[in-house]
Amino acid sequence: EAGVAQSPRYKIIEKRQSVAFWCNPISGHATLYWYQQILGQGPKLLIQFQNNGVVDDSQLPKDRFSAERLKGVDSTLKIQPAKLEDSAVYLCASRGGGVYNEQFFGPGTRLTVL
Amino acid sequence: DAKTTQPPSMDCAEGRAANLPCNHSTISGNEYVYWYRQIHSQGPQYIIHGLKNNETNEMASLIITEDRKSSTLILPHATLRDTAVYYCIVRRNNYGQNFVFGPGTRLSVLP
Repeated sequence: EAGVAQSPRYKIIEKRQSVAFWCNPISGHATLYWYQQILGQGPKLLIQFQNNGVVDDSQLPKDRFSAERLKGVDSTLKIQPAKLEDSAVYLCASRGGGVYNEQFFGPGTRLTVL
Repeated sequence: DAKTTQPPSMDCAEGRAANLPCNHSTISGNEYVYWYRQIHSQGPQYIIHGLKNNETNEMASLIITEDRKSSTLILPHATLRDTAVYYCIVRRNNYGQNFVFGPGTRLSVLP
């Protein structure tokens, strides 16, 4: 089966600019996650969707970050305006409630804010 | 905060077994131990998980101590492609519980 797709793979912007990331989860997976991974650290959950509803966005910096999952399939994560400390890899993952209940991760988008 | 403690780095010779330890002394009775790994420039990949019995699959074996306060991930014959960061995570196996990743162990498999 096809994996989780993300685009772009790399993005370089200047601080105060806006940026958007796109994620296409594995077909049929109801749960979608966005993680932020700063260099040298493990991934940190930003937001979790169940179909098109938000389940957990407690760690999402809502003053600058937003995410949506229209129609319960693809999702976009936006940062506006970006700060230097937003430089990180943004990972999307999906879960379909299979036997192992594991999450499947995409390759991530590496964001550099100058 | 992550509920696990792992060594920051380990080396292993190619072809030998890699034994990656994880301490989870505050684990509760309904929490599972999950292992993921992250190869450079890729997203994390599921390896194995267990509750209290030892588990084995095509990738690895998971040994959980009887008191469940620690576990060991075993890669029986490490290859250069096993070089990655390995994450040990404890979580309840229900729909609402999310993964909390610590910094993991960076395993270097040496030729």
